[in-house]
Amino acid sequence: AQSVTQPDIHITVSEGASLELRCNYSYGATPYLFWYVQSPGQGLQLLLKYFSGDTLVQGIKGFEAEFKRSQSSFNLRKPSVHWSDAAEYFCAVGLRGGYQKVTFGIGTKLQVIP
Amino acid sequence: DAGVIQSPRHEVTEMGQEVTLRCKPISGHDYLFWYRQTMMRGLELLIYFNNNVPIDDSGMPEDRFSAKMPNASFSTLKIQPSEPRDSAVYFCASSFRDGNTIYFGEGSWLTVV
Repeated sequence: AQSVTQPDIHITVSEGASLELRCNYSYGATPYLFWYVQSPGQGLQLLLKYFSGDTLVQGIKGFEAEFKRSQSSFNLRKPSVHWSDAAEYFCAVGLRGGYQKVTFGIGTKLQVIP
Repeated sequence: DAGVIQSPRHEVTEMGQEVTLRCKPISGHDYLFWYRQTMMRGLELLIYFNNNVPIDDSGMPEDRFSAKMPNASFSTLKIQPSEPRDSAVYFCASSFRDGNTIYFGEGSWLTVV
């Protein structure tokens, strides 16, 4: 079975600083990879996804993520964080072959300080 | 298009009572998922349906939980009897076949006292 590890439960960055949220997965083949964001009291919203092709994926709100097969990683990045980015971020792994079971990581809570 | 619609948004109930959570998926989506989110366990998949048929219910915690999808536009998650440890946010989500992108509702916040 696939699994997802988000090693950082909580991260604090200053507004304007760069951000990198880590995600590692365990799966025998290349899975589908996602990053979702959850604002307080809200559902999860898709930021970006990797299915195939270019390993650098652009998403909404200025986020990007890079798939590195050799490291089994899919880290999320943003060059300059805004206060509105404070939220919880979830990495997720989906199996290929039409099987729709997606596994989510535990989440990383991002705090942005002025 | 409307997103995934869940009701109620908030519910407070007493232990032992029956709880029914409702979901309307995005029109045209073939898959419907029920997730539970807690601080301790994160986001857990409870059950999912494909074309109204339950495919995997291995995440359903126990017999007190049941889910149905009588048609393509409606699903329920029922807890009977409810217990305080069932307090959580329950998310319904849907996706189009083979797309793997899952769209979430805003959740039903359940408190069992």
